[in-house]
Amino acid sequence: QKEVEQDPGPLSVPEGAIVSLNCTYSNSAFQYFMWYRQYSRKGPELLMYTYSSGNKEDGRFTAQVDKSSKYISLFIRDSQPSDSATYLCAMKAPLGDGNNRLAFGKGNQVVVIP
Amino acid sequence: DAMVIQNPRYQVTQFGKPVTLSCSQTLNHNVMYWYQQKSSQAPKLLFHYYDKDFNNEADTPDNFQSRRPNTSFCFLDIRSPGLGDAAMYLCATSRGQGGAEAFFGQGTRLTVV
Repeated sequence: QKEVEQDPGPLSVPEGAIVSLNCTYSNSAFQYFMWYRQYSRKGPELLMYTYSSGNKEDGRFTAQVDKSSKYISLFIRDSQPSDSATYLCAMKAPLGDGNNRLAFGKGNQVVVIP
Repeated sequence: DAMVIQNPRYQVTQFGKPVTLSCSQTLNHNVMYWYQQKSSQAPKLLFHYYDKDFNNEADTPDNFQSRRPNTSFCFLDIRSPGLGDAAMYLCATSRGQGGAEAFFGQGTRLTVV
């Protein structure tokens, strides 16, 4: 089983729809959870950062973490064509020997159709 | 306002010719990472530094080396690039202690001819 699973299938939605993305993971030591947005040929841009379980909202974006199920989600409300990008989940264990590594999912390509 | 800066943005090198990619940061972060990302794939961690401590991933080929002469700079050296090394190379930083957000540079796209 991979450490982080993210179904990479492209996702096309009409403008204004809610986009729902998720990742599962196997390493129970992960405590920090991040979502990155990556436009074509650019570096990943940090969108959301959550520590441990819970929800976090920032404008149209909501991140949810359920540590008991090892499942994280990202929701994008009122999606816009400018949201078209690849979304990567990433996670990390607390600081410790060899635990600075950030584990990524494969990424979801999202296309918002005007 | 760029906080993690990678140079160059695009690099073309010949097969077997050593190449160096650079990364600098203004965040004063302890940790600096190098990732390799191929098309439609997740970034793959090559190695990272916590301050001066170097941590190599077990599956990183010996062809890839890194240097961190000071807090602000980190270099990726590819000793003998092969066609399979063509990729986007991403540098990232994080504080290490406490907060764990990692911030990425814009990447260097390496082409091997």
